[in-house]
Amino acid sequence: GENVEQHPSTLSVQEGDSAVIKCTYSDSASNYFPWYKQELGKGPQLIIDIRSNVGEKKDQRIAVTLNKTAKHFSLHITETQPEDSAVYFCAASSITGNQFYFGTGTSLTVIP
Amino acid sequence: GAVVSQHPSRVICKSGTSVKIECRSLDFQATTMFWYRQFPKQSLMLMATSNEGSKATYEQGVEKDKFLINHASLTLSTLTVTSAHPEDSSFYICSAINYRDGYGYTFGSGTRLTVV
Repeated sequence: GENVEQHPSTLSVQEGDSAVIKCTYSDSASNYFPWYKQELGKGPQLIIDIRSNVGEKKDQRIAVTLNKTAKHFSLHITETQPEDSAVYFCAASSITGNQFYFGTGTSLTVIP
Repeated sequence: GAVVSQHPSRVICKSGTSVKIECRSLDFQATTMFWYRQFPKQSLMLMATSNEGSKATYEQGVEKDKFLINHASLTLSTLTVTSAHPEDSSFYICSAINYRDGYGYTFGSGTRLTVV
């Protein structure tokens, strides 16, 4: 089955700086890679996703890059704000499958 | 966008009692829903896959007689924690795949269960 690894487990950045979270996956059949943000006491919320037919996707301050050859994808948050502080999870799945494999999460703290 | 509603958000129950958690897809049909358990500062642990009209598929180590799952309609799945004990206290989250909008995995808001 798929194995998703996520690094780092914790990340602290100064407000305004950029944050990068990286994930690797093992199954070359995976072709859908979402990122979720989970605030304390709440369920994860989808913030951005990427499919394997593109290498990069951007939505305002958030971007995701995908390297299918190397089997890794990354989340980039620019101009970080205190409200970006949360736990972020990456995931991998196949479009035709119904199983998502999650990374272990990254606790991001943005220091004002 | 797709919305998954989970209820209740918090529940406190006494040891030995049962608690039911509901997960509803509000604007799409979900033939498959998933139930997760999350311990503090840890990742999501898949407990079971709930399939509409059939028995749930449980992950290894999850007691199916303790965590009863019913998926009686295309928009509702329930998780019942039977004979709850303090060690069952946790954050339970459901999710559903939304095929309507081109494939998306939407989570509910979670249920904080405390067994006293």
